[in-house]
Amino acid sequence: AQTVTQSQPEMSVQEAETVTLSCTYDTSENNYYLFWYKQPPSRQMILVIRQEAYKQQNATENRFSVNFQKAAKSFSLKISDSQLGDTAMYFCAFMGIQGAQKLVFGQGTRLTINP
Amino acid sequence: DAGVIQSPRHEVTEMGQEVTLRCKPISGHNSLFWYRQTMMRGLELLIYFNNNVPIDDSGMPEDRFSAKMPNASFSTLKIQPSEPRDSAVYFCASNPRAGGSAGELFFGEGSRLTVL
Repeated sequence: AQTVTQSQPEMSVQEAETVTLSCTYDTSENNYYLFWYKQPPSRQMILVIRQEAYKQQNATENRFSVNFQKAAKSFSLKISDSQLGDTAMYFCAFMGIQGAQKLVFGQGTRLTINP
Repeated sequence: DAGVIQSPRHEVTEMGQEVTLRCKPISGHNSLFWYRQTMMRGLELLIYFNNNVPIDDSGMPEDRFSAKMPNASFSTLKIQPSEPRDSAVYFCASNPRAGGSAGELFFGEGSRLTVL
């Protein structure tokens, strides 16, 4: 079974700083998707960024980028020039392409951006 | 596009009562997922459907929980009888399974259930 581990329960940085959230996962599959979801206080889950495992290039979405290390099964999220609106819970998630296509989540990291 | 729509947004009920949560997925999405979120266990997948057919319900806690998807635009999650430990936020999500957004889940705003 796939597992996703986020080792940082909470993080806090100053506005405009760069922050990196860690995620590791375990799977025997070769092709899969990885995601970072953001859950603000409004509680709706919002997709931040997506990575296909067969793509070597790291995904980037504006201030958000990932460092995908397939061999190490690591998938960290970097937020550059952090903003107050980035304050939220961040969840790393895995979805296999073959077989059961269900999203498996990590426990989440609570990120606070301080003014 | 209205997104995934869930109702009710909040539900407070007493132990032993029946609870029904509702979900309307995004039109054209052919997979639907029910998740439960609690502080202790995080986000847990309860059940998911492909083309209205339940594929994996191994996450359903016990027989008190049941889910249906009678058509492509509607699903329900029912708890009968409800217990205090069922208190959680229940999320519905849908997925197109094809095209540029394949693999991405689109979530509703969740239904917060409190069982007294």
